[in-house]
Amino acid sequence: QMQLQESGPGLVKPSETLSLTCTVSGGSISSYYWSWIRQPAGERMEWIGRVHATGGTSYNPSLKSRITMSIDSSENQFFLKITSVTAADTAVYYCARLIAARPHYYMDVWGKGTTVAVSS
Amino acid sequence: EIVMTQSPATLSVSPGERATLSCRASQSVTSNLAWYQQKPGQAPRLLIYGASTRATGIPARFSGSGSGTEFTLTISSLQSEDFAVYYCQQYNTWYSFGQGTKLEIK
Repeated sequence: QMQLQESGPGLVKPSETLSLTCTVSGGSISSYYWSWIRQPAGERMEWIGRVHATGGTSYNPSLKSRITMSIDSSENQFFLKITSVTAADTAVYYCARLIAARPHYYMDVWGKGTTVAVSS
Repeated sequence: EIVMTQSPATLSVSPGERATLSCRASQSVTSNLAWYQQKPGQAPRLLIYGASTRATGIPARFSGSGSGTEFTLTISSLQSEDFAVYYCQQYNTWYSFGQGTKLEIK
């Protein structure tokens, strides 16, 4: 059974770069899209972006200028970087597998999430 | 941006009874809607996609309906493990989520 695990620092200073890793186990990262989603405390979830196993990316337009996603198929990992973070980037960050079977694009396997706080 | 609005925010239902959760989109998403269940400390779990198709392994007591802007998730006979937070999510134009409905034991 496929499992996803987020990892990264729990605390990032304002103006610095947030970097997270999602490690995929129990299956191959190939041939799929992979997404990052975040949820600030008390707020709704927000889709951050997606990366395909081939490296192609799509980002939430509201975050696009600060987001970079990448993938390392040899390690079964994909990555998220958010630059110039502020307190508004404090959230639980989830990674998920995105099934793309037109017209359906839904997230069928999720990690448990990792909490990231932005504070000096 | 398509805004998803769920109601009610909290629903209190007794075990064995039926629960009906609603989700409204600010514009049509056709049938491009998914439902997720989340329990504290756990990963979200996909229940429904395509507004009405149950995901693999999801019990038949979960059913989804609707199209356009109005959607419903029905749990026909609540089991103890069904008490959780439920989210709807549209994928017609990028992806956006509802704010969630907490289903609690009455």
